[in-house]
Amino acid sequence: GQQVMQIPQYQHVQEGEDFTTYCNSSTTLSNIQWYKQRPGGHPVFLIQLVKSGEVKKQKRLTFQFGEAKKNSSLHITATQTTDVGTYFCAGNNRKLIWGLGTSLAVNP
Amino acid sequence: KAGVTQTPRYLIKTRGQQVTLSCSPISGHRSVSWYQQTPGQGLQFLFEYFSETQRNKGNFPGRFSGRQFSNSRSEMNVSTLELGDSALYLCASSLRDGLNYGYTFGSGTRLTVV
Repeated sequence: GQQVMQIPQYQHVQEGEDFTTYCNSSTTLSNIQWYKQRPGGHPVFLIQLVKSGEVKKQKRLTFQFGEAKKNSSLHITATQTTDVGTYFCAGNNRKLIWGLGTSLAVNP
Repeated sequence: KAGVTQTPRYLIKTRGQQVTLSCSPISGHRSVSWYQQTPGQGLQFLFEYFSETQRNKGNFPGRFSGRQFSNSRSEMNVSTLELGDSALYLCASSLRDGLNYGYTFGSGTRLTVV
């Protein structure tokens, strides 16, 4: 069936280091959404990418959508303790297919 | 404006019982989706309702059902509870089409089956 693989599963960084999580879909996607879930919280919508090769920035966060619309990445520059949480991608192929998330831990 | 409200926040039930969870979407949102979240399986889609009609359904057994009312509020019901149903149940609403505009999630109902 349709899958969205997300790697890595876990990432532990020192505050100030960069962080990247990757999503790869087995099928071409109409769009991809990114969510963040803080520990004990619920997913919060961050952004949606629609166009092939699209790049969007939100302060220290950079989101990319691949040319083939089958992969995406989220890059955080100079992580802070407030970035702690699990980052999920969800690909739209007539239904949302969720990755299992990347849990980010940041050492102060 | 108020966010997505889910009640109750926590619930403990015994195997074999049934449970009903409630979700009030953001005012004006007509699309409501339900997800089951467990540590090993991530977010698993249960169903989506739009204007009282089930628009999409995930791969869950018939013990899981839902409905949406004319005011867009939604309920999901799980009958004959099993230990494996222990999870965080999340409701998400969207103004139009969450597939293309994103979802706003509620805080969830943590269900424990003992």
